[in-house]
Amino acid sequence: ETGVTQTPRHLVMGMTNKKSLKCEQHLGHNAMYWYKQSAKKPLELMFVYNFKEQTENNSVPSRFSPECPNSSHLFLHLHTLQPEDSALYLCASSPYEWAVPDTQYFGPGTRLTVL
Amino acid sequence: GENVEQHPSTLSVQEGDSAVIKCTYSDSASNYFPWYKQELGKGPQLIIDIRSNVGEKKDQRIAVTLNKTAKHFSLHITETQPEDSAVYFCAARKGDDKIIFGKGTRLHILP
Repeated sequence: ETGVTQTPRHLVMGMTNKKSLKCEQHLGHNAMYWYKQSAKKPLELMFVYNFKEQTENNSVPSRFSPECPNSSHLFLHLHTLQPEDSALYLCASSPYEWAVPDTQYFGPGTRLTVL
Repeated sequence: GENVEQHPSTLSVQEGDSAVIKCTYSDSASNYFPWYKQELGKGPQLIIDIRSNVGEKKDQRIAVTLNKTAKHFSLHITETQPEDSAVYFCAARKGDDKIIFGKGTRLHILP
């Protein structure tokens, strides 16, 4: 148990749907991250929040909209996605942004399929 | 920006043998190199890391070596066991910049 939970674990949605991914960390951390993991590609950083403030948007399309209401919760709102957005979406947390050593704790991910 | 290459993409070794995964990086200023293990249905977990002022680090059956001149670093797993089967990611980082990951190596331990 890493202390980072993600829901749902699996999600299938149409291109016109609106859905949200949820991440919760129970580690008392102050930084949270969204990553996209596609087959045969490196982990792609999407967003970083540090003390609830967004500090990084890695050129992510606007159909992905993050929200961080507090240091323990992170959401990723999805709307009008494309089939190429199908991937495993991973959430991670760390004591603070880009802490060293790299103590990012990852959740199990949400497997997203866009039809 | 930093670019991390990882080889091989897939590796099969007999149980009890050693496994070696290699990574190269492009930015000579990178100074921190973590390795992650991702088991099926789980997120990546940090298993070992090394900083640029150290050439080798060991933790039981796992070791990492770093050659700053050649800009490559490797993960060595000795006496492999079935539970070592997973996807392994190397990564590199410069200062407090964001971390850059390799594409991963799927390691199969054969009985």
